[in-house]
Amino acid sequence: DSGVTQTPKHLITATGQRVTLRCSPRSGDLSVYWYQQSLDQGLQFLIQYYNGEERAKGNILERFSAQQFPDLHSELNLSSLELGDSALYFCASSGRTGLEETQYFGPGTRLLVL
Amino acid sequence: EDQVTQSPEALRLQEGESSSLNCSYTVSGLRGLFWYRQDPGKGPEFLFTLYSAGEEKEKERLKATLTKKESFLHITAPKPEDSATYLCAVQESGGYQKVTFGTGTKLQVIP
Repeated sequence: DSGVTQTPKHLITATGQRVTLRCSPRSGDLSVYWYQQSLDQGLQFLIQYYNGEERAKGNILERFSAQQFPDLHSELNLSSLELGDSALYFCASSGRTGLEETQYFGPGTRLLVL
Repeated sequence: EDQVTQSPEALRLQEGESSSLNCSYTVSGLRGLFWYRQDPGKGPEFLFTLYSAGEEKEKERLKATLTKKESFLHITAPKPEDSATYLCAVQESGGYQKVTFGTGTKLQVIP
Protein backbone atom coordinates (compact mmCIF):
# COMPACT_ATOMS: atom_id res chain seq x y z
CA ASP A 1 0.00 0.00 0.00
CA SER A 2 1.57 3.27 -1.19
CA GLY A 3 -0.56 5.50 1.04
CA VAL A 4 -2.08 7.27 -1.98
CA THR A 5 -5.81 6.74 -2.36
CA GLN A 6 -7.92 7.21 -5.46
CA THR A 7 -11.67 7.11 -5.90
CA PRO A 8 -13.59 5.67 -7.58
CA LYS A 9 -11.78 2.47 -8.58
CA HIS A 10 -13.96 2.00 -11.62
CA LEU A 11 -16.11 4.39 -13.62
CA ILE A 12 -18.36 3.66 -16.56
CA THR A 13 -19.97 6.56 -18.37
CA ALA A 14 -21.17 7.70 -21.78
CA THR A 15 -19.65 9.94 -24.42
CA GLY A 16 -20.23 13.63 -23.81
CA GLN A 17 -20.44 13.24 -20.05
CA ARG A 18 -18.26 14.77 -17.33
CA VAL A 19 -16.55 12.91 -14.49
CA THR A 20 -14.40 13.80 -11.51
CA LEU A 21 -11.58 11.64 -10.23
CA ARG A 22 -10.29 12.15 -6.73
CA CYS A 23 -6.85 11.62 -5.21
CA SER A 24 -5.60 11.88 -1.64
CA PRO A 25 -1.81 12.05 -1.39
CA ARG A 26 0.36 10.42 1.23
CA SER A 27 0.45 12.25 4.52
CA GLY A 28 3.03 15.04 4.31
CA ASP A 29 3.42 15.00 0.52
CA LEU A 30 2.84 18.38 -1.12
CA SER A 31 3.08 17.37 -4.78
CA VAL A 32 0.37 15.55 -6.70
CA TYR A 33 0.81 14.23 -10.23
CA TRP A 34 -1.84 12.93 -12.64
CA TYR A 35 -1.11 10.35 -15.34
CA GLN A 36 -3.13 8.63 -18.03
CA GLN A 37 -2.28 5.09 -19.12
CA SER A 38 -3.86 3.54 -22.16
CA LEU A 39 -2.90 0.41 -24.06
CA ASP A 40 -1.70 2.19 -27.18
CA GLN A 41 0.08 5.18 -25.60
CA GLY A 42 1.68 3.96 -22.38
CA LEU A 43 1.88 6.22 -19.34
CA GLN A 44 1.30 9.89 -20.16
CA PHE A 45 2.03 12.69 -17.71
CA LEU A 46 -0.87 15.11 -17.47
CA ILE A 47 -0.21 17.67 -14.77
CA GLN A 48 1.52 18.31 -11.44
CA TYR A 49 0.41 20.44 -8.50
CA TYR A 50 2.58 21.53 -5.63
CA ASN A 51 0.93 22.86 -2.48
CA GLY A 52 -2.12 24.05 -4.37
CA GLU A 53 -0.37 25.57 -7.37
CA GLU A 54 0.21 24.17 -10.84
CA ARG A 55 3.89 23.20 -11.14
CA ALA A 56 4.27 21.25 -14.40
CA LYS A 57 2.09 20.44 -17.36
CA GLY A 58 2.17 17.60 -19.85
CA ASN A 59 -0.02 16.99 -22.88
CA ILE A 60 -3.24 17.57 -21.01
CA LEU A 61 -6.28 18.17 -23.18
CA GLU A 62 -8.26 21.38 -22.80
CA ARG A 63 -11.29 19.21 -21.90
CA PHE A 64 -9.38 18.08 -18.82
CA SER A 65 -8.67 20.20 -15.78
CA ALA A 66 -7.32 19.62 -12.30
CA GLN A 67 -6.95 21.38 -9.02
CA GLN A 68 -5.39 20.81 -5.63
CA PHE A 69 -7.30 21.89 -2.57
CA PRO A 70 -6.02 23.40 0.73
CA ASP A 71 -6.15 19.95 2.36
CA LEU A 72 -3.87 18.79 -0.51
CA HIS A 73 -6.29 16.35 -2.09
CA SER A 74 -6.64 16.75 -5.82
CA GLU A 75 -9.37 16.30 -8.37
CA LEU A 76 -9.09 15.63 -12.10
CA ASN A 77 -12.11 16.72 -14.11
CA LEU A 78 -12.72 15.17 -17.50
CA SER A 79 -15.47 16.70 -19.64
CA SER A 80 -17.05 16.08 -23.06
CA LEU A 81 -15.78 12.55 -22.78
CA GLU A 82 -14.83 10.61 -25.89
CA LEU A 83 -14.31 6.89 -26.45
CA GLY A 84 -10.55 7.49 -26.60
CA ASP A 85 -10.53 8.80 -23.03
CA SER A 86 -11.05 5.26 -21.76
CA ALA A 87 -7.90 4.49 -19.79
CA LEU A 88 -6.40 4.00 -16.36
CA TYR A 89 -5.85 7.29 -14.56
CA PHE A 90 -3.17 7.33 -11.90
CA CYS A 91 -2.39 9.85 -9.25
CA ALA A 92 1.01 10.00 -7.60
CA SER A 93 2.35 12.07 -4.74
CA SER A 94 5.85 12.93 -3.74
CA GLY A 95 7.73 14.10 -0.73
CA ARG A 96 11.34 14.59 0.12
CA THR A 97 13.58 11.94 1.58
CA GLY A 98 17.06 13.39 1.69
CA LEU A 99 17.87 14.38 -1.90
CA GLU A 100 15.39 12.02 -3.49
CA GLU A 101 11.97 12.93 -4.80
CA THR A 102 10.10 9.67 -4.47
CA GLN A 103 6.81 9.40 -6.35
CA TYR A 104 4.22 7.06 -4.86
CA PHE A 105 1.40 5.96 -7.14
CA GLY A 106 -2.17 5.22 -6.19
CA PRO A 107 -4.07 2.14 -7.40
CA GLY A 108 -5.69 4.05 -10.25
CA THR A 109 -9.18 4.74 -11.54
CA ARG A 110 -10.27 2.68 -14.52
CA LEU A 111 -12.48 4.81 -16.77
CA LEU A 112 -14.59 3.26 -19.49
CA VAL A 113 -16.43 5.57 -21.87
CA LEU A 114 -19.20 3.87 -23.85
CA GLU B 1 10.77 17.47 -27.52
CA ASP B 2 11.81 15.11 -24.74
CA GLN B 3 12.07 11.47 -25.78
CA VAL B 4 12.50 8.28 -23.80
CA THR B 5 13.15 4.97 -25.57
CA GLN B 6 13.31 1.69 -23.71
CA SER B 7 14.75 -1.54 -25.04
CA PRO B 8 14.07 -4.32 -25.40
CA GLU B 9 10.27 -4.13 -25.46
CA ALA B 10 10.09 -7.58 -23.93
CA LEU B 11 12.66 -9.83 -22.28
CA ARG B 12 12.38 -13.42 -21.21
CA LEU B 13 15.01 -14.74 -18.78
CA GLN B 14 15.63 -17.99 -17.00
CA GLU B 15 15.73 -17.69 -13.23
CA GLY B 16 19.27 -16.69 -12.27
CA GLU B 17 20.13 -15.33 -15.74
CA SER B 18 21.36 -11.73 -15.26
CA SER B 19 20.63 -9.05 -17.84
CA SER B 20 20.23 -5.30 -18.39
CA LEU B 21 17.39 -3.07 -19.52
CA ASN B 22 18.18 0.11 -21.44
CA CYS B 23 16.60 3.56 -21.29
CA SER B 24 17.86 6.12 -23.82
CA TYR B 25 16.73 9.69 -23.43
CA THR B 26 16.94 13.14 -24.95
CA VAL B 27 16.00 16.10 -22.81
CA SER B 28 17.06 19.74 -22.86
CA GLY B 29 18.03 19.63 -19.21
CA LEU B 30 17.72 16.66 -16.86
CA ARG B 31 16.24 17.16 -13.42
CA GLY B 32 15.96 13.46 -12.69
CA LEU B 33 15.60 10.01 -14.24
CA PHE B 34 13.21 7.57 -12.57
CA TRP B 35 12.80 3.80 -12.70
CA TYR B 36 9.51 2.14 -11.79
CA ARG B 37 8.17 -1.38 -11.68
CA GLN B 38 4.55 -2.00 -12.70
CA ASP B 39 2.50 -5.14 -12.23
CA PRO B 40 -0.58 -5.65 -14.45
CA GLY B 41 -3.54 -3.46 -13.44
CA LYS B 42 -1.59 -1.78 -10.63
CA GLY B 43 0.08 1.57 -10.16
CA PRO B 44 3.81 1.89 -10.85
CA GLU B 45 6.04 1.22 -7.88
CA PHE B 46 8.99 3.55 -7.43
CA LEU B 47 12.44 1.99 -7.62
CA PHE B 48 15.13 4.67 -8.12
CA THR B 49 15.84 8.29 -8.94
CA LEU B 50 19.13 9.23 -10.60
CA TYR B 51 20.21 12.85 -10.91
CA SER B 52 23.61 13.03 -12.59
CA ALA B 53 25.88 11.06 -14.92
CA GLY B 54 27.95 8.48 -13.08
CA GLU B 55 25.39 7.99 -10.35
CA GLU B 56 24.44 4.43 -9.32
CA LYS B 57 21.71 3.12 -7.03
CA GLU B 58 21.13 -0.43 -5.80
CA LYS B 59 18.21 -2.27 -4.27
CA GLU B 60 18.24 -6.02 -3.74
CA ARG B 61 18.84 -7.61 -7.18
CA LEU B 62 18.49 -4.30 -9.06
CA LYS B 63 21.12 -1.72 -9.89
CA ALA B 64 20.48 1.47 -11.87
CA THR B 65 23.17 3.50 -13.58
CA LEU B 66 23.11 6.79 -15.48
CA THR B 67 25.15 8.36 -18.27
CA LYS B 68 24.51 11.58 -20.16
CA LYS B 69 22.42 9.77 -22.77
CA GLU B 70 21.12 6.59 -21.20
CA SER B 71 20.37 4.61 -18.09
CA PHE B 72 20.64 0.90 -17.44
CA LEU B 73 18.72 -1.25 -15.02
CA HIS B 74 20.82 -4.30 -14.25
CA ILE B 75 19.03 -7.33 -12.86
CA THR B 76 21.29 -9.84 -11.12
CA ALA B 77 20.16 -13.44 -10.68
CA PRO B 78 16.47 -12.62 -11.24
CA LYS B 79 13.65 -14.56 -9.63
CA PRO B 80 10.13 -15.19 -11.01
CA GLU B 81 8.76 -12.48 -8.68
CA ASP B 82 10.84 -9.94 -10.61
CA SER B 83 8.51 -10.44 -13.58
CA ALA B 84 6.86 -7.08 -14.31
CA THR B 85 7.00 -4.14 -16.69
CA TYR B 86 9.87 -1.77 -15.90
CA LEU B 87 9.28 1.88 -16.76
CA CYS B 88 11.80 4.66 -17.17
CA ALA B 89 10.89 8.36 -16.98
CA VAL B 90 12.77 11.65 -17.23
CA GLN B 91 11.86 14.97 -15.70
CA GLU B 92 13.18 18.09 -17.37
CA SER B 93 14.70 20.93 -15.44
CA GLY B 94 13.57 24.54 -15.57
CA GLY B 95 10.28 25.99 -16.73
CA TYR B 96 7.52 23.41 -16.83
CA GLN B 97 9.25 20.35 -15.35
CA LYS B 98 7.49 17.89 -17.59
CA VAL B 99 7.78 14.16 -16.96
CA THR B 100 8.10 11.84 -19.96
CA PHE B 101 7.74 8.07 -19.62
CA GLY B 102 9.09 5.36 -21.87
CA THR B 103 6.78 2.56 -22.99
CA GLY B 104 8.50 0.05 -20.74
CA THR B 105 10.24 -3.30 -20.89
CA LYS B 106 8.08 -6.30 -20.06
CA LEU B 107 10.25 -8.77 -18.16
CA GLN B 108 9.32 -12.42 -17.70
CA VAL B 109 11.49 -14.61 -15.48
CA ILE B 110 10.91 -18.32 -15.95
CA PRO B 111 11.56 -20.76 -13.08
